[in-house]
Amino acid sequence: GEDVEQSLFLSVREGDSSVINCTYTDSSSTYLYWYKQEPGAGLQLLTYIFSNMDMKQDQRLTVLLNKKDKHLSLRIADTQTGDSAIYFCAETPRNNLFFGTGTRLTVIP
Amino acid sequence: NAGVMQNPRHLVRRRGQEARLRCSPMKGHSHVYWYRQLPEEGLKFMVYLQKENIIDESGMPKERFSAEFPKEGPSILRIQQVVRGDSAAYFCASSPTPGSRVVLGGYTFGSGTRLTVV
Repeated sequence: GEDVEQSLFLSVREGDSSVINCTYTDSSSTYLYWYKQEPGAGLQLLTYIFSNMDMKQDQRLTVLLNKKDKHLSLRIADTQTGDSAIYFCAETPRNNLFFGTGTRLTVIP
Repeated sequence: NAGVMQNPRHLVRRRGQEARLRCSPMKGHSHVYWYRQLPEEGLKFMVYLQKENIIDESGMPKERFSAEFPKEGPSILRIQQVVRGDSAAYFCASSPTPGSRVVLGGYTFGSGTRLTVV
């Protein structure tokens, strides 16, 4: 079955880098995603990585994929207070989208 | 170009009543997915539907919950005889094609319906 795991909480100081980690289970996932959820809002797609890539950079976001260990990470450079939110990783087995528990990122001014 | 529309945004029901949650997918999207987010938890997949077909309902509770996506009109998630444990945010997402092409944000999420059972 699907079992995507993430740490529940992360606190960083404004201007530092944040690293959010995720382990997933389904090696057949073609794409792996990171979504952001701000308080009281829906999910916003942040970025994704194709399963045959090791790394993807998109402005302040860097996604690293270790397919052997089924480990995915999201690095946010120069973290800002507006980055405070819950971040979900998601795998895509069986033409579907399964989420981790989410990591609540708190940015301390 | 409206996104995925869910209504109502907030729904309060007494124990034992029925809750109906509606989701209108983005224009041109024919695949709908329902997720539930319990307080302080992640999103759990419930059901995946195409027009007039349930494709995957492996995440749906066996009793009291049902979903449909008729040929015309929105997708409906129906919860009969609600209990306190049903209180959660229910999110709907849509995509234009089957999930194997979930690239470039192929899934678009609605803002959710927050159900409170009192």
